Amino acid sequence: GESVGLHLPTLSVQEGDNSIINCAYSNSASDYFIWYKQESGKGPQFIIDIRSNMDKRQGQRVTVLLNKTVKHLSLQIAATQPGDSAVYFCAENPNYNQGGKLIFGQGTELSVKP
Amino acid sequence: DSGVTQTPKHLITATGQRVTLRCSPRSGDLSVYWYQQSLDQGLQFLIQYYNGEERAKGNILERFSAQQFPDLHSELNLSSLELGDSALYFCASSGGTGYGYTFGSGTRLTVV
Repeated sequence: GESVGLHLPTLSVQEGDNSIINCAYSNSASDYFIWYKQESGKGPQFIIDIRSNMDKRQGQRVTVLLNKTVKHLSLQIAATQPGDSAVYFCAENPNYNQGGKLIFGQGTELSVKP
Repeated sequence: DSGVTQTPKHLITATGQRVTLRCSPRSGDLSVYWYQQSLDQGLQFLIQYYNGEERAKGNILERFSAQQFPDLHSELNLSSLELGDSALYFCASSGGTGYGYTFGSGTRLTVV
């Protein structure tokens, strides 16, 4: 069935290092992708998004890379901080113009060691 | 504050009961989405409303129903509750396309 999967369920990094979280998606028709951060007891918080007509997008300390050939997304966090500790989800939207459902991966837990 | 408001934040109820979860979307957003997050299933799409009309349906149980009112707030009704319905229920809103898809802080439902 439809799925968005994450390659690494847990990731532990040292404060100040760069983090890379990977995600594979299965629907080649998906044209919009979002990374969310979820802290314990809170709702998913938007980090960065990318349309399928782009292969890279940068935000503040974060970069999303999209490789449509292999249906792969990654989130790069520069100079990771303790406040970045959370679960990160990638999500794909196969029907962007209609809104539609997001298909989420299972999430990667990022733990930042001080 | 994301601008999407969900009430109540916590709900504890007994099996067989019925509850209503409420969501107010961000100002100007016409679409409301409901998601269920459980430990073993992750975030699962339930249903979408756009300007009062149902637009998309996911794996929503027949015991669950939703609606969107003229003021655009939405309610998710869960009936004949079972222990397995215990989960976080999130509402999200967007303007109509997928852009700006924003989540509320959720309602934690515990069925005992």
